[in-house]
Amino acid sequence: KNQVEQSPQSLIILEGKNCTLQCNYTVSPFSNLRWYKQDTGRGPVSLTIMTFSENTKSNGRYTATLDADTKQSSLHITASQLSDSASYICVVPLGAGNMLTFGGGTRLMVKP
Amino acid sequence: AAGVIQSPRHLIKEKRETATLKCYPIPRHDTVYWYQQGPGQDPQFLISFYEKMQSDKGSIPDRFSAQQFSDYHSELNMSSLELGDSALYFCASSLRGIQETQYFGPGTRLLVL
Repeated sequence: KNQVEQSPQSLIILEGKNCTLQCNYTVSPFSNLRWYKQDTGRGPVSLTIMTFSENTKSNGRYTATLDADTKQSSLHITASQLSDSASYICVVPLGAGNMLTFGGGTRLMVKP
Repeated sequence: AAGVIQSPRHLIKEKRETATLKCYPIPRHDTVYWYQQGPGQDPQFLISFYEKMQSDKGSIPDRFSAQQFSDYHSELNMSSLELGDSALYFCASSLRGIQETQYFGPGTRLLVL
């Protein structure tokens, strides 16, 4: 069964601290993995797209890693800001048509 | 930069009524996706269109239909609405490619009473 699982479900950190979110997937065939940020009640916004040949990709304070052998990805947020409070969703396209399979998301809250 | 536009942003309907949601993709994007996100749930893929033809079909109920028009905007038609249809409906657009990014609209919040 094609699945995308994320951990932790929720996370609270203090402003300025770093954190790492995890994603395990079993989608096959695999083409790429995406991390999205979704503010409550708003549409998801793409952070990174990684193919199976990429190990690390950065977007500002966001760094995503991918291990295609173990089918794991992580999203590392550096020097967190209050505006980072949101849900972070790991997404893997299913099939050639790019239907996105969403993970359960990690709800991050950054406190001052 | 122009983003995906959805209308209306909020919609209240009663059971058994119909609703039409509209999506205007980013200019030059040729692919449109519809997703449904229930309260506290992940977005679920409903249906997608590429160049005005249905390209993929997900968990879209038979009571729903959608189409993409010649100007690439898309409409999601929902009939015989049920309470369980209350959700956020997102439209996303992309330019067809191997790793195209799907850009999501702000969503339409549908409440069925």
